Amino acid sequence: EPEVTQTPSHQVTQMGQEVILRCVPISNHLYFYWYRQILGQKVEFLVSFYNNEISEKSEIFDDQFSVERPDGSNFTLKIRSTKLEDSAMYFCASMGQDPYEQYFGPGTRLTVT
Amino acid sequence: ELKVEQNPLFLSMQEGKNYTIYCNYSTTSDRLYWYRQDPGKSLESLFVLLSNGAVKQEGRLMASLDTKARLSTLHITAAVHDLSATYFCAVDSSGAGSYQLTFGKGTKLSVIP
Repeated sequence: EPEVTQTPSHQVTQMGQEVILRCVPISNHLYFYWYRQILGQKVEFLVSFYNNEISEKSEIFDDQFSVERPDGSNFTLKIRSTKLEDSAMYFCASMGQDPYEQYFGPGTRLTVT
Repeated sequence: ELKVEQNPLFLSMQEGKNYTIYCNYSTTSDRLYWYRQDPGKSLESLFVLLSNGAVKQEGRLMASLDTKARLSTLHITAAVHDLSATYFCAVDSSGAGSYQLTFGKGTKLSVIP
């Protein structure tokens, strides 16, 4: 069964450093998302991506964040200058059409020290 | 701003008992999702509810949607230990066709012998 994959599974970085989180969505899906979950809290939407551009973004997704789909298979989330409060689990999700169901990857745990 | 409220947030129940988790949301939406999350793991899709009156069942879990009341329920029948997890409801909050999800805080279910 097709699945969303994410790398790395765990990333430790120092405050102020840039990180890139990578995702490979399900191959025939058209919609791509990043969500995050701070430990013990609810899942929060960051950004959606369709037709090679951002379609929606949340207030969390400020200028420090960017997304890219560089080669038609990978979907990346970049944080330019990490802050302590960026520590969270980051989930990538992808969705086809009908029934518009989002499939989540296993997540990348980002720890900023 | 769409608000999604789940209750209870914590639920401890004995094996063999029945219980219902409630999910209320604040604005019109025709799509509601239920996910399961085990500790440290990703989100597993349980149900996609796409219309008023939709009812879906899988094993000991049954989900329903009342779009007029803006209410979904997840009913657990004859609970078993394997159902212990956190259950999230999520509502399509985009309104603009990007289909991003707004999640509730989750219900942490513990099934005890």
